[in-house]
Amino acid sequence: AAGVIQSPRHLIKEKRETATLKCYPIPRHDTVYWYQQGPGQDPQFLISFYEKMQSDKGSIPDRFSAQQFSDYHSELNMSSLELGDSALYFCASSFPRMLQGRVDGYTFGSGTRLTVV
Amino acid sequence: AQTVTQSQPEMSVQEAETVTLSCTYDTSESNYYLFWYKQPPSRQMILVIRQEAYKQQNATENRFSVNFQKAAKSFSLKISDSQLGDTAMYFCAFMKRGSQGNLIFGKGTKLSVKP
Repeated sequence: AAGVIQSPRHLIKEKRETATLKCYPIPRHDTVYWYQQGPGQDPQFLISFYEKMQSDKGSIPDRFSAQQFSDYHSELNMSSLELGDSALYFCASSFPRMLQGRVDGYTFGSGTRLTVV
Repeated sequence: AQTVTQSQPEMSVQEAETVTLSCTYDTSESNYYLFWYKQPPSRQMILVIRQEAYKQQNATENRFSVNFQKAAKSFSLKISDSQLGDTAMYFCAFMKRGSQGNLIFGKGTKLSVKP
């Protein structure tokens, strides 16, 4: 079965550089979520999109932005990178909202490991 | 605001034995979902089991079962017949019903299954 695809798997950037992370949800999933997991930490919700519109916002820094495209893939853009941005960034997708009466939980991708040096 | 607490940072169990991971949460919501996710060294977040708060029956998935105590706001995970492949970080997570994104995670419990 198709899973959530994230690219790249690893990324090394220098301070003050820009990074773009990509997420391709499971086919027919219309909602995408981004999470940040620092070293030894639990995942923290950043932002989500439903039908290409931002649906919820968590602890996402102003230096970060994200969008969902017409094919439902999403990109997380991170600018002016800081050392503290080094983390594992997860994308997850879920079933259409009309089916949310049965929540299976989200399907997560394998994450992008961002290292800022 | 909702919080999820996992009081056991690390646990170990012998292969084939049973282990219980604890999770408590705090919420004023009456309708919500609870999840256990597994994160092995491969780092993929894998859904282990879910529970709808309005259901009194405890969820079960093969060797994994939960003890859901709504009044006590407790949601423990029992792993029976532990296998080496169960070695992973386990996260308890909460989601408000109707919410479309905000999974709130506990800090995790690192489980080691020993041969």
